[in-house]
Amino acid sequence: NAGVTQTPKFQVLKTGQSMTLQCAQDMNHNSMYWYRQDPGMGLRLIYYSASEGTTDKGEVPNGYNVSRLNKREFSLRLESAAPSQTSVYFCASSGRQGANYEQYFGPGTRLTVT
Amino acid sequence: GESVGLHLPTLSVQEGDNSIINCAYSNSASDYFIWYKQESGKGPQFIIDIRSNMDKRQGQRVTVLLNKTVKHLSLQIAATQPGDSAVYFCAENGSGNTGKLIFGQGTTLQVKP
Repeated sequence: NAGVTQTPKFQVLKTGQSMTLQCAQDMNHNSMYWYRQDPGMGLRLIYYSASEGTTDKGEVPNGYNVSRLNKREFSLRLESAAPSQTSVYFCASSGRQGANYEQYFGPGTRLTVT
Repeated sequence: GESVGLHLPTLSVQEGDNSIINCAYSNSASDYFIWYKQESGKGPQFIIDIRSNMDKRQGQRVTVLLNKTVKHLSLQIAATQPGDSAVYFCAENGSGNTGKLIFGQGTTLQVKP
């Protein structure tokens, strides 16, 4: 049981390039989330998916798109990367749809945009 | 607006002492709270949670206290160990039963040997 996995672990992009961050969970969770964490800060929600087939914006969605490919996988896409998107990105999943339970986090993707 | 904040950015304690990490929240509608631990280079790890119908919950070496009157949350770690050194975040669910969490900025706990 790997929990929440993310790829890649590190990435360097030039301004204007695009990329997709991958996330998968093997806990049969309904809800999945994408956060960004900037230095010395807490986590801010980018997008979330309460269940397969649904996605909703979080606190900081601009510049990002998401796809809930199936129950296991939730990807985050940067269409045209900007230096302001340099951050650590965390994916998380939670067991109950629309309910308040703990979220389990992946190890993160460290993205640098030059 | 909604905010979850921590009173102190860094807490330094002696190994073996008890640690208390504090958190203030501003949304009166929040009814679910979580503490996470984040070690350097890793994702946040769940420690303990509490619902608003409780004012205290205990885990292994950790206790969370909730004071809804003053909108205050604290995490107590008993007999702090070097492995407890990390950044600790509190999070609240805000209004609504969406499963979303709002995170505070974090407190760094440093354990001195």
